Amino acid sequence: QSVLTQPPSVSAAPRQKVTISCSGSSSNIGNNYVSWYQQYPGASPKLLIYDSNKRPSGIPDRFSASQSGTSATLGITGLQTGDEADYYCGTWDGGLNAFVFGTGTKVTVL
Amino acid sequence: QVHLQQWGTGLLKPWETLSLTCAVYGGSFSGYYWSWVRQSPGKGLEWIGEISHIRGIHYNPSLKGRVNISEDTSKNQFSLKVNSLTAADTAVYFCARGEYVNGLSMDVWGRGTTVIVSS
Repeated sequence: QSVLTQPPSVSAAPRQKVTISCSGSSSNIGNNYVSWYQQYPGASPKLLIYDSNKRPSGIPDRFSASQSGTSATLGITGLQTGDEADYYCGTWDGGLNAFVFGTGTKVTVL
Repeated sequence: QVHLQQWGTGLLKPWETLSLTCAVYGGSFSGYYWSWVRQSPGKGLEWIGEISHIRGIHYNPSLKGRVNISEDTSKNQFSLKVNSLTAADTAVYFCARGEYVNGLSMDVWGRGTTVIVSS
């Protein structure tokens, strides 16, 4: 059972925008930077965002993220069919002394 | 370019011990947090634990007592053992590199090893 809560699914038409929320607590998001991961079926996760809002090299600026209080948000603009995947937030939890992932969100392009 | 190659036994019986190894190629072994993550069929990601020279070893409390993570720095490898297996341990197991900039994130991942626990 994850301590970070995400909506099970979000959807939008091509070229539109979606946002994915990640809700936690003071022991995790409230005091640690969030990272975001994209995972296609049958594949390994891929780092999309680190340190709350930074993109690794090669990640397009259509992907953005923010973090405030005990919540974080991932945004995808100019939605493409290739963005259909599962997305996970993650951060360190000081209370558990463990890294925790969100429950995951499936993005569907209508 | 760093990449991780992982291997281990894929089919195990209840109460047996899972053993996986991950080798690091093309990069430094020190200065990073070497992690194991698993994903049960149709479920989300679950962090199992990490090992590093920076802060030692940490395990997911939900698995503590059954898990052991170790390293062989001479071979740039780290390993996972999970004992007393049950069907609930059936999952794809990933190794990953954790990097700490201002926070911890996993930037390099192995391809995953499918582990099935069945009698």
